[in-house]
Amino acid sequence: DTEVTQTPKHLVMGMTNKKSLKCEQHMGHRAMYWYKQKAKKPPELMFVYSYEKLSINESVPSRFSPECPNSSLLNLHLHALQPEDSALYLCASSQGSGTQPQHFGDGTRLSIL
Amino acid sequence: QKEVEQNSGPLSVPEGAIASLNCTYSDRVSQSFFWYRQYSGKSPELIMSIYSNGDKEDGRFTAQLNKASQYVSLLIRDSQPSDSATYLCAVNSQGGSEKLVFGKGTKLTVNP
Repeated sequence: DTEVTQTPKHLVMGMTNKKSLKCEQHMGHRAMYWYKQKAKKPPELMFVYSYEKLSINESVPSRFSPECPNSSLLNLHLHALQPEDSALYLCASSQGSGTQPQHFGDGTRLSIL
Repeated sequence: QKEVEQNSGPLSVPEGAIASLNCTYSDRVSQSFFWYRQYSGKSPELIMSIYSNGDKEDGRFTAQLNKASQYVSLLIRDSQPSDSATYLCAVNSQGGSEKLVFGKGTKLTVNP
């Protein structure tokens, strides 16, 4: 079982909907990440939170809005997504130093109708 | 642009053979190197971390790092069909930042 928990596992939404992806870790990690992964491609970094502050935004469109309520939780708010946003969304966490490995959750499979 | 290159594959080996996966990286100040295994439709799973030159062994897996050549490899001994997956090489970029740069992955098939 993964120590990074993501919900929901699957999500289908229309282009006008608003939804949120959730991620939780209880490993005491201080850095959390959102990635997007398309089929047969490597994970693509979207956001990094370090000590609950946004430290990296990889020029992600504003229809994706991250939130880090506390050191264990990470949300990704979705609004007015496009069909090309359909992908596997992965959350990861690490101890906070860039030298430490990142541990991934099982992901949320998102489909935009 | 920091880059990580992997042999594109796919790589096919018979059961019981050694599978060799290779990775080169462009950023000389990189400090941390990781191998992830990703089964189809699943998330990446960390299988090896390596930080200093030389070999690191964990069960059937051996990671090798050569910072002078900017090269990292993963050897899988006694390959099993359950090792069939895509293997992602990831390198910490910008020397100590939280950002990982991933290679495109090598798909490995182990044939029974």
